Parts: sequence; C-alpha cells; structure tokens
Amino acid sequence: DIQMTQSPSSLSASVGDRVTITCRASQGISNFLAWYQQKPGKVPKLLIYSASTLQLGVPSRFSGSGSGTDFTLTIISLQPEDVATYYCQKYYSAPFTFGPGTKVDIK
Amino acid sequence: EVQLVESGGAVVQPGGSLRLSCAASGLAFDNYAMHWVRQAPGKGLEWVSLITWDGGTTYYADSVKGRFTISRDNNLGSLYLQMNSLRPEDTALYYCAKTPGGYTGYADYWGQGTLVTVSS
Repeated sequence: DIQMTQSPSSLSASVGDRVTITCRASQGISNFLAWYQQKPGKVPKLLIYSASTLQLGVPSRFSGSGSGTDFTLTIISLQPEDVATYYCQKYYSAPFTFGPGTKVDIK
Repeated sequence: EVQLVESGGAVVQPGGSLRLSCAASGLAFDNYAMHWVRQAPGKGLEWVSLITWDGGTTYYADSVKGRFTISRDNNLGSLYLQMNSLRPEDTALYYCAKTPGGYTGYADYWGQGTLVTVSS
C-alpha cells in the first residue's frame, strides 16, 4: 500500500506569515491528492482537490501544488481563522489513505 | 443543500456489533460513491471504507477488513456500515462523506459524525 507522510507535524507562525505544509506519497499518485482543514471540534472541510484545484468558497490565500510523490499546501498569509489541523489524502486507488496531519497555530 | 446525517453510534462491548446509518438529502444519492472515515479521540483521520454508486464495488482499510461491511440503499438515500467483532481500537467518531464521482474520489461533503465507543 502507498503510505502518506506529512511534515512538519506541527507549526506555529505569526499572522500574515507564509505557511507551507508538505505531503509525500511513497509511490506516485499523479495528482490524485486532496487537502482538508479540520478546525478544533469541527468536521473536516475540503480545501483542495486534484492537488491544486481550490474547492468552491475556499479563500484564495490557500493554494496547492505538486504531482507524483511530492505535494505542498501553502497559506500565503496566515489568518487567525486558519488555526486547524490539515490533512492530505490520496484517492488514486484504495486504500484512500490520509496523511497524519499538520497542526497549525498562531505564534 | 447537501446533508449527511449519521446515526447508530453507541457504547458497545468488545466483540459486539453495531450498524451505523447515514441519511443523505439534497443530492442525487445514487450518482455518488460514498466513504466512511473515522477519527479516534485526539487522533487523525482514518479512512475506513468506500462503496461505489451502485454498490457493485467496495473497499476496506486493512484494519477493518473482514469485520466491517459497507452497503447502501439508493432507494432510501442511505449508507450503512455493519461493524462486527468490535475492538477497543474501533472507538472513534465515524463520518460518512460523499465523493464527487460514482467510483472513487475525495470527500467533498461530510456529515457531523456518530460516536462509537467500544468498552467493557
């Protein structure tokens, strides 16, 4: 099975900072990668699919890139409401594994 | 508006069984594959199972294979997860989630979840 890893596991940044989260697949998955945001106590929310396509309604400060095995989620200007855990997920084939998550908070 | 409402969560003893349901509304349910995803307390998301639009193909995580069965009733707009031989490590909030396609995909809409606790 393809394994998904994320780095870092947590980060603390200031409001307005650029934040980058990395997701890596153990084998190539083309661009079949999604990113989710889960705020504390809330349901996960789809941010990005096909590695770089922003879901409708998601602020443009979020962007995704990558293909194959290496992917990034970037928040170009971190806002207080972005405090959350971010997960990547592969959907190239089953099992549709999630990464372990990256917790983002405000410094 | 798409709505997914899970039910059936409970406290159950190890070795017991439980059936979760997910009622869908606001969408053409029979067009979409559906996921079950779980989250243990304080832990990350774990994909559990997926069923294609017609119920013709199902997939399972290794951790539940042989114990859990996913099914759907397109006439009722409902998704199910039959959980047998439950273990303490199955304790989690269980979400149903819709995909944008009929066969596979990411989860574009999620329910609020139903809590399963496996404990003696």
